[in-house]
Amino acid sequence: GQNIDQPTEMTATEGAIVQINCTYQTSGFNGLFWYQQHAGEAPTFLSYNVLDGLEEKGRFSSFLSRSKGYSYLLLKELQMKDSASYLCAVKDSNYQLIWGAGTKLIIKP
Amino acid sequence: GAVVSQHPSWVICKSGTSVKIECRSLDFQATTMFWYRQFPKQSLMLMATSNEGSKATYEQGVEKDKFLINHASLTLSTLTVTSAHPEDSSFYICSARDGELDSGNTIYFGEGSWLTVV
Repeated sequence: GQNIDQPTEMTATEGAIVQINCTYQTSGFNGLFWYQQHAGEAPTFLSYNVLDGLEEKGRFSSFLSRSKGYSYLLLKELQMKDSASYLCAVKDSNYQLIWGAGTKLIIKP
Repeated sequence: GAVVSQHPSWVICKSGTSVKIECRSLDFQATTMFWYRQFPKQSLMLMATSNEGSKATYEQGVEKDKFLINHASLTLSTLTVTSAHPEDSSFYICSARDGELDSGNTIYFGEGSWLTVV
């Protein structure tokens, strides 16, 4: 079966750095997405990785290792507004999105 | 970036009635749109994939006669919840793919619609 694993919940301090991991086992791979979802709202796009390596976009970076079936989202200089769920999703060989359950990130002052 | 607009954001309807949710891609043509539902504290669950001009493909366990999907144009898809029941109360989200089937395109989400059936 297809599976995306990410931690259920993480806590970090304002101003710090946090890394949210995602491992996947899917039938084929056509890219990995990270989305941010605030409670009660729809997800918003953060990043997309299809090749191995690090993609940096401001305070957020996303890393991919296809051989390891592994990605992480790195958030720097954490702000209170970063408190949200972070969803990892993989596009499989049929170009369908397989979703992780999301990681709830709690930022403390 | 690309924008997907969903309407209404909130809707309350009586049990047994039908309600329609619209999903529009505002600045791109979306040949494929997706409909999800999400229960509180749970992950997104894909309900169906909608291709412009053809019938929607429903996921296993989703009743196609209850959740009617119409994708009549490249910028509009609608989800109609027919004969709604309280258990249909949920957060419904649409998304649209910018471009043709390709590994590089991104999927953008509408704002979501909260449906409460009373």
